[in-house]
Amino acid sequence: GEDVEQSLFLSVREGDSSVINCTYTDSSSTYLYWYKQEPGAGLQLLTYIFSNMDMKQDQRLTVLLNKKDKHLSLRIADTQTGDSAIYFCAESGQGGKLIFGQGTELSVKP
Amino acid sequence: DAGVIQSPRHEVTEMGQEVTLRCKPISGHNSLFWYRQTMMRGLELLIYFNNNVPIDDSGMPEDRFSAKMPNASFSTLKIQPSEPRDSAVYFCASSSQAGGRGEQYFGPGTRLTVT
Repeated sequence: GEDVEQSLFLSVREGDSSVINCTYTDSSSTYLYWYKQEPGAGLQLLTYIFSNMDMKQDQRLTVLLNKKDKHLSLRIADTQTGDSAIYFCAESGQGGKLIFGQGTELSVKP
Repeated sequence: DAGVIQSPRHEVTEMGQEVTLRCKPISGHNSLFWYRQTMMRGLELLIYFNNNVPIDDSGMPEDRFSAKMPNASFSTLKIQPSEPRDSAVYFCASSSQAGGRGEQYFGPGTRLTVT
């Protein structure tokens, strides 16, 4: 079945790089997504990658996709305190729904 | 566009009362999703609609929950009767399935507290 797994917590120091990892099961997913949720808010699309790509860069964000291992990662360069949030990985599922991971809570210490 | 609009933002009610949550999707989006988020269970998909038709309601916890989408610009999620374990943040999201990437846009959520 469809399943997405993430580690629950990550703590980094301000200025360091953060790497959030995700594994998924559905090899037919067309797109994979990263969402960000700040306290008291809904999920906001951060970036996405098409399944025939292996890397996408967008300013401080780098997404790496290893289709063979069904592994997706999000790297945030020069992490700031404002990046503290919960990050959700998601894959496209059947019928237009998205399958979300449990979310990784990123804590950035000054 | 104003984005996905949800109301109310906060709801506090007593056990046994009926609760109705409302959602207005982004204009032109043809898919609508209701999620529930709690600390214990994370983000759960309750039900979703394509072109106003319920496609998958397997995530609806029990018969006390019902959802409707009478037209393309409005949906409700009703809990009757409510119980303390229904306390959670309920999100509505919408997306366009017309050849797009299928990403979902989330509303700000309704924080429900049942006492």
